[in-house]
Amino acid sequence: EAEVAQSPRYKITEKSQAVAFWCDPISGHATLYWYRQILGQGPELLVQFQDESVVDDSQLPKDRFSAERLKGVDSTLKIQPAELGDSAMYLCASSLASKVDTQYFGPGTRLTVL
Amino acid sequence: GENVEQHPSTLSVQEGDSAVIKCTYSDSASNYFPWYKQELGKRPQLIIDIRSNVGEKKDQRIAVTLNKTAKHFSLHITETQPEDSAVYFCAASMTGGGNKLTFGTGTQLKVEL
Repeated sequence: EAEVAQSPRYKITEKSQAVAFWCDPISGHATLYWYRQILGQGPELLVQFQDESVVDDSQLPKDRFSAERLKGVDSTLKIQPAELGDSAMYLCASSLASKVDTQYFGPGTRLTVL
Repeated sequence: GENVEQHPSTLSVQEGDSAVIKCTYSDSASNYFPWYKQELGKRPQLIIDIRSNVGEKKDQRIAVTLNKTAKHFSLHITETQPEDSAVYFCAASMTGGGNKLTFGTGTQLKVEL
């Protein structure tokens, strides 16, 4: 069964450093989501792509976070500079389409900022 | 925007008993309600979902009910087993909203032998 892939699985960095996370959605899935999950809470959407276009980045802290999906397939989420409060699990999800379709999650990247 | 509240935050049951987790949502336009199970250190996995044109849906030991008037939906697990122990998240989204999922805060279910 196809799954969403993410790397790295774990990342430890110092504050003010730059970090990047990669996501490869299920083949053929046009919609890609990045969520942030703080320990003990539910995931919160950071950014949503439809193909290569951003359709929702209202919750993305744009002063330090950026996301791209250049060819409409895999995606990269970057944080620069990282802050202590960015420590969380970063989850990528994909769906076949954006209209009320099942979202499949990747294993996540656990970020620790020291 | 949408707000989803989930209760209880922790739930402990004996093996074989039933477990019920409840969620309420604020946006009456929401029309899709999935439930995810997340084991420690693993990805959220969809276990069941329901759309607003249906009041109840079952899949073996798992069922979900939806009350659109009251804006609440519930997850029911019967004959619980130790492998059901995990964190369960409810979520809500709506067509036209880009399928953005708003999650509840999660319920830690522990099934004791």
